[in-house]
Amino acid sequence: NAGVTQTPKFQVLKTGQSMTLQCAQDMNHEYMSWYRQDPGMGLRLIHYSVGAGITDQGEVPNGYNVSRSTTEDFPLRLLSAAPSQTSVYFCASLSADRYEQYFGPGTRLTVT
Amino acid sequence: RKEVEQDPGPFNVPEGATVAFNCTYSNSASQSFFWYRQDCRKEPKLLMSVYSSGNEDGRFTAQLNRASQYISLLIRDSKLSDSATYLCVLEDDKIIFGKGTRLHILP
Repeated sequence: NAGVTQTPKFQVLKTGQSMTLQCAQDMNHEYMSWYRQDPGMGLRLIHYSVGAGITDQGEVPNGYNVSRSTTEDFPLRLLSAAPSQTSVYFCASLSADRYEQYFGPGTRLTVT
Repeated sequence: RKEVEQDPGPFNVPEGATVAFNCTYSNSASQSFFWYRQDCRKEPKLLMSVYSSGNEDGRFTAQLNRASQYISLLIRDSKLSDSATYLCVLEDDKIIFGKGTRLHILP
């Protein structure tokens, strides 16, 4: 199993550009989530999904969209990038028994 | 009280020493508790869960004190490779991460 994969690993955007961060998991987990991590702020939940076709907002959803058309994929879209969205983004999936979250390697995004 | 609070550290500890840190939480209904470890510029990974009776995994011991609403992590005979940030995680109807405690093991 590849676990949770994320692409790209690094990205630089200009203010106003849009892009999609990709996330996929091959463990057949229903629950997936996106976090951002900033120095001194810890992990903050952006959006999450409890299964295909179902998404919901987390703590900091503004400026981001998600969709969940399949169990495997959970892309995160930045609609119009802002410097405040410079961060490290982690995608995660949760095991069926809700015991362990598996994280992807992260995407380091810089918005100039 | 914030949902989850951790001392950010850093804890600078000589190799071989014992170190412990706590995590306090505000929601008495929290059901599940975990410690995750995050190395610099890497993703968090599960270290261990925390049971009411306490649990041990090698040099690591985790305990839960529901009355005082905190969990603890004890590391014995610390190694250089234990240097990392340790994240406290709680689950009730949502999953909440603490901001982490940085640990530096000094040679």
